[in-house]
Amino acid sequence: AQSVTQPDARVTVSEGASLQLRCKYSYSATPYLFWYVQYPRQGLQLLLKYYSGDPVVQGVNSFEAEFSKSNSSFHLQKASVHWSDSAVYFCALKGSNYQLIWGSGTKLIIKP
Amino acid sequence: AQTIHQWPVAEIKAVGSPLSLGCTIKGKSSPNLYWYWQATGGTLQQLFYSITVGQVESVVQLNLSASRPKDDQFILSTEKLLLSHSGFYLCAWSPTGGYQDTQYFGPGTRLLVL
Repeated sequence: AQSVTQPDARVTVSEGASLQLRCKYSYSATPYLFWYVQYPRQGLQLLLKYYSGDPVVQGVNSFEAEFSKSNSSFHLQKASVHWSDSAVYFCALKGSNYQLIWGSGTKLIIKP
Repeated sequence: AQTIHQWPVAEIKAVGSPLSLGCTIKGKSSPNLYWYWQATGGTLQQLFYSITVGQVESVVQLNLSASRPKDDQFILSTEKLLLSHSGFYLCAWSPTGGYQDTQYFGPGTRLLVL
């Protein structure tokens, strides 16, 4: 079965600290994975995507993600967060029939 | 560059009343189009997708229907709203629909049903 799990509903970090948001997937074939961000009362914006190649992919706004086939994971990272990074982050997996399979989202809270 | 516009920005409607939400994509011919619903604080639920004019596939209906009357337009509607229809409706587009396809989202329409 295809699924995406974001185990942390909420993550709180201090401004300037590093960040990791976790994403685990279940998929039998080569996964096509995404991270999207949703700022309050807005639509979703694509941060980055991975299909093949270098397992570390760079995205917008200094975000990066590391794909691990052995761990079935696609964790999002940032070296130093800013207050403007406060948002909800969604991990998604390309499924069949024009569908994306979504994680439940992680709300990122930045402490001043 | 492609732009995606959704209308209206927000609606407050009565239970049992009709609804029509719209989505327009400019700058891309023959896009694949998608409707999503998001409960407050929740994840996304895909409702419909369309790969060509006049053709719409249902993923989860939720007593809603969708139509694609033009290449660049996608409409979500119902004749009778339920309280459970409240939430955030997102339209998305993608270039091809192939496996390496990527979906891009509009700004959304917020719906409150009372």
